Amino acid sequence: DQQVKQNSPSLSVQEGRISILNCDYTNSMFDYFLWYKKYPAEGPTFLISISSIKDKNEDGRFTVFLNKSAKHLSLHIVPSQPGDSAVYFCAAGTGGTSYGKLTFGQGTILTVHP
Amino acid sequence: EAQVTQNPRYLITVTGKKLTVTCSQNMNHEYMSWYRQDPGLGLRQIYYSMNVEVTDKGDVPEGYKVSRKEKRNFPLILESPSPNQTSLYFCASGGEAGGYTFGSGTRLTVV
Repeated sequence: DQQVKQNSPSLSVQEGRISILNCDYTNSMFDYFLWYKKYPAEGPTFLISISSIKDKNEDGRFTVFLNKSAKHLSLHIVPSQPGDSAVYFCAAGTGGTSYGKLTFGQGTILTVHP
Repeated sequence: EAQVTQNPRYLITVTGKKLTVTCSQNMNHEYMSWYRQDPGLGLRQIYYSMNVEVTDKGDVPEGYKVSRKEKRNFPLILESPSPNQTSLYFCASGGEAGGYTFGSGTRLTVV
């Protein structure tokens, strides 16, 4: 049972435009959410996180939105750059922490064209 | 340099031959975890540890063992590897606001 789902395996956008990556979850106990970026031959790197007590968190070009009623979160990248091309994973955890037991989605491959 | 170091990076082994993948972090993090990445399944947590001598099962612990005898090390042990454990493995550690720091991965092939 996939508790965290990224239904779009891939996304292609033009440089300078907005990239929107989506993630859905089913477990209402999740109270902390994160996004990671992964380049080939490297481990994932942390991007941005959000607690369930918030509905938005922003860090530079990256903004994460959380809609608890819909059990949906999204990552917005504005403006998109070719260097953003990577696999993006969303993850969810419980206990109000970004550590401990984390459940990841399947990943979305983002390609930003120059 | 703050990092998580996994060894080896690549490993080919035969079914049933015990192996250990080492993981070490130099950030004095309390939390450490092991994940495997498989096509179409994303990252799945195998085990995690919230401190020395404290370990818990993740989503796919079957066939794996871990130990946390000291803070910096968290080895992953496959007592009797099978072909379905062929995967890309990542170790991670964390202790500050900002999620896990991941190692570069170990690609394991069991034939």
